[in-house]
Amino acid sequence: KAGVTQTPRYLIKTRGQQVTLSCSPISGHRSVSWYQQTPGQGLQFLFEYFSETQRNKGNFPGRFSGRQFSNSRSEMNVSTLELGDSALYLCASSSGGQAGTGELFFGEGSRLTVL
Amino acid sequence: DQQVKQNSPSLSVQEGRISILNCDYTNSMFDYFLWYKKYPAEGPTFLISISSIKDKNEDGRFTVFLNKSAKHLSLHIVPSQPGDSAVYFCAASVRAAGNKLTFGGGTRVLVKP
Repeated sequence: KAGVTQTPRYLIKTRGQQVTLSCSPISGHRSVSWYQQTPGQGLQFLFEYFSETQRNKGNFPGRFSGRQFSNSRSEMNVSTLELGDSALYLCASSSGGQAGTGELFFGEGSRLTVL
Repeated sequence: DQQVKQNSPSLSVQEGRISILNCDYTNSMFDYFLWYKKYPAEGPTFLISISSIKDKNEDGRFTVFLNKSAKHLSLHIVPSQPGDSAVYFCAASVRAAGNKLTFGGGTRVLVKP
């Protein structure tokens, strides 16, 4: 069974640009979550999508957005990049229904560097 | 406001001995708690979980204890093995709200052979 796949794995952008990250969940998983990991702030929740609907949202500015497609694949977008957006962005998928299981399967992450 | 805290950033233990990792939380709405393990250059991997209706859950060498009145949970690894060397994160959620996890800052565990 293939795991969670994130692309691209590494990318470098400059301030003011925008970036789109992609995530393919484990087959059959309808929940996809995104997390930002930085040395100073640790793992912080961005948002969760379940059956194409945003179910939860973290405390990030509106520059951070996401979506989920009918095949459960998800993308997140960050516009007007700032230096502080440099981080590892982790996608995770989960099985289960309306109630969360909390048992997330993480991808290896997309390492974003903003110069 | 850090709702989930791991006050020990690192822990060193001898192979074969017990590793005890601690985690405190402040939000009484949390009803599900989990531990994840993370190796360098990999995403976190789910380890073990516990519901707020229980005070202990065991899975092989890993046991999680929950003290709701103290808002404290701990992970025991017995016996510790060199392959357990990793960063461990505790996390908490409100299950009815989906899979929004609040993570602690992590504890780096080093198991010495």
